[in-house]
Amino acid sequence: SQTIHQWPATLVQPVGSPLSLECTVEGTSNPNLYWYRQAAGRGLQLLFYSVGIGQISSEVPQNLSASRPQDRQFILSSKKLLLSDSGFYLCAWSVLGLTPSGRAQFFGPGTRLTVL
Amino acid sequence: DAKTTQPNSMESNEEEPVHLPCNHSTISGTDYIHWYRQLPSQGPEYVIHGLTSNVNNRMASLAIAEDRKSSTLILHRATLRDAAVYYCILLNFGNEKLTFGTGTRLTIIP
Repeated sequence: SQTIHQWPATLVQPVGSPLSLECTVEGTSNPNLYWYRQAAGRGLQLLFYSVGIGQISSEVPQNLSASRPQDRQFILSSKKLLLSDSGFYLCAWSVLGLTPSGRAQFFGPGTRLTVL
Repeated sequence: DAKTTQPNSMESNEEEPVHLPCNHSTISGTDYIHWYRQLPSQGPEYVIHGLTSNVNNRMASLAIAEDRKSSTLILHRATLRDAAVYYCILLNFGNEKLTFGTGTRLTIIP
């Protein structure tokens, strides 16, 4: 069966510090990978998605970047965090054909980031 | 992207069925109807999806109107663990991006 891991679970960082959040998927090959953010009291916003190693699409201009160094690894980074980067960061994966039609997405447990 | 409209909140008694509505009047022929739910402090969880026909799985049923302009997620027997925000999302085949709205906050009354 497939599993998705995210770490750390929680993180408190000062403004201006760097960030690295990691997501890994097990039990599947060549998944699509996604990074979402949920600010306090708001809906989920897609930040990045990747259809393969080294292929990253950015959905919104921001202070963050993403990388996919391996097939099942997705990393979210920042060189200098802003207060507005605080939120709940979620990684998700999907694979064509896992469900009878269309692509369902499966989410990790998330990382709660507080920037002070 | 085609838009969906859901009630902001709903309440239901425990052990009773729950019908969560979703309107999507601008749905295109290749849009799939997806439902996710998000429990407090957790990531969203896939519930069910369909295209034209009604769908059933172990979690819920999805009833799709004949004109596909609306759908209803049916929880057959609500439990306290079903309290969550439920999102109805249209996903066009070939488009990999889920666009989450505000969803319906479901409260289960013991």
